[in-house]
Amino acid sequence: ETGVTQSPTHLIKTRGQQVTLRCSSQSGHNTVSWYQQALGQGPQFIFQYYREEENGRGNFPPRFSGLQFPNYSSELNVNALELDDSALYLCASSSSGLTYEQYFGPGTRLTVT
Amino acid sequence: QQQVKQSPQSLIVQKGGISIINCAYENTAFDYFPWYQQFPGKGPALLIAIRPDVSEKKEGRFTISFNKSAKQFSLHIMDSQPGDSATYFCAARLDSSYKLIFGSGTRLLVRP
Repeated sequence: ETGVTQSPTHLIKTRGQQVTLRCSSQSGHNTVSWYQQALGQGPQFIFQYYREEENGRGNFPPRFSGLQFPNYSSELNVNALELDDSALYLCASSSSGLTYEQYFGPGTRLTVT
Repeated sequence: QQQVKQSPQSLIVQKGGISIINCAYENTAFDYFPWYQQFPGKGPALLIAIRPDVSEKKEGRFTISFNKSAKQFSLHIMDSQPGDSATYFCAARLDSSYKLIFGSGTRLLVRP
């Protein structure tokens, strides 16, 4: 059984650019959540995808968008990057039903200059 | 109120000692309370979790104590080891979604 994987590991972008981050969920999990973790802070919920539909969104602007594919992998897209978008982006997968556990990937470190 | 307040911000414990981290919440709609351990450059790893119908849960050296009436829960690490040095986050889940709300984290240092 493979865990949650994310790519790329690190990324450097310039303000105003667009970025796509990728996540493969743990085997058997059909729900993917994305979180932003600024340095020295706890993760902040961005949104969640369940069966290819957005299933809840945190307090993030529309330039943060996502996709989930039939194999339950997911993408996070951020347009018009701002300096404050520099953070560790975490993907967590879970299975629907009675289990609440969310398992996180290693994250993608995004630096916006 | 969808906040989880965590304390202390940092903690130094001697090897073999007990590490205690506390969290408090206001929203009674929270129905699941996990603790995560995060090492530098890594994603958070699920350590232990509890539901509000249970007052205590123990897994190895890690124990969660839950006080529903006070809306507080805590993580106790018994016989703390240098390898436990990491940042610990408490979190809470709203019963209507899978969204986790995290505390601000506690940086634990266990001295040899």
